[in-house]
Amino acid sequence: AQSVAQPEDQVNVAEGNPLTVKCTYSVSGNPYLFWYVQYPNRGLQFLLKYITGDNLVKGSYGFEAEFNKSQTSFHLKKPSALVSDSALYFCAVRDLSSNDYKLSFGAGTTVTVRA
Amino acid sequence: IAGITQAPTSQILAAGRRMTLRCTQDMRHNAMYWYRQDLGLGLRLIHYSNTAGTTGKGEVPDGYSVSRANTDDFPLTLASAVPSQTSVYFCASSDFWTGSTDTQYFGPGTRLTVL
Repeated sequence: AQSVAQPEDQVNVAEGNPLTVKCTYSVSGNPYLFWYVQYPNRGLQFLLKYITGDNLVKGSYGFEAEFNKSQTSFHLKKPSALVSDSALYFCAVRDLSSNDYKLSFGAGTTVTVRA
Repeated sequence: IAGITQAPTSQILAAGRRMTLRCTQDMRHNAMYWYRQDLGLGLRLIHYSNTAGTTGKGEVPDGYSVSRANTDDFPLTLASAVPSQTSVYFCASSDFWTGSTDTQYFGPGTRLTVL
């Protein structure tokens, strides 16, 4: 079985401050991990993914995420948040040991960046 | 390139009526998915299709059916709508067979209200 937890429903930060959105996962084998962003009344947009290799993954719009196998975490980070980063963020996982490629999504974290 | 299109954008439907949500992709992806998004629950997989001619059940398949007659189209049908099917529905696709590009890409969504 595979699952993802996003422990924070909401994250509020001031513009220019670092932004972190937390994600932990559970899989039987090795994980593929993804971050998506959803702006109001829009579909999900892919930000970045971890498959293998370097634990620090860089993605779109200045976002990055760090894979930590011992803590089963894949937190999303941005060094300096912008007001335009305000959106709903989803973490997702796929278990490579399974025979299918379905993703399991977290419940989402609403990020609000205040000016 | 349009990516994934969904129709209608929104719909209000009387309970008991039949409804088909349309999804078309122009990326020639082999895999397609239907999700529903509900507040606090994230995205839940309804049905999926590995390739044209095959379909499978996701987490919440009851009350929904799908077909995959060709690569591009993946319609979702509610045979007899109920109020609990009020949700935002997202279609997605991915190119599974190329391994590292199995990222899922999402359509803009259909907002369905069942009264």
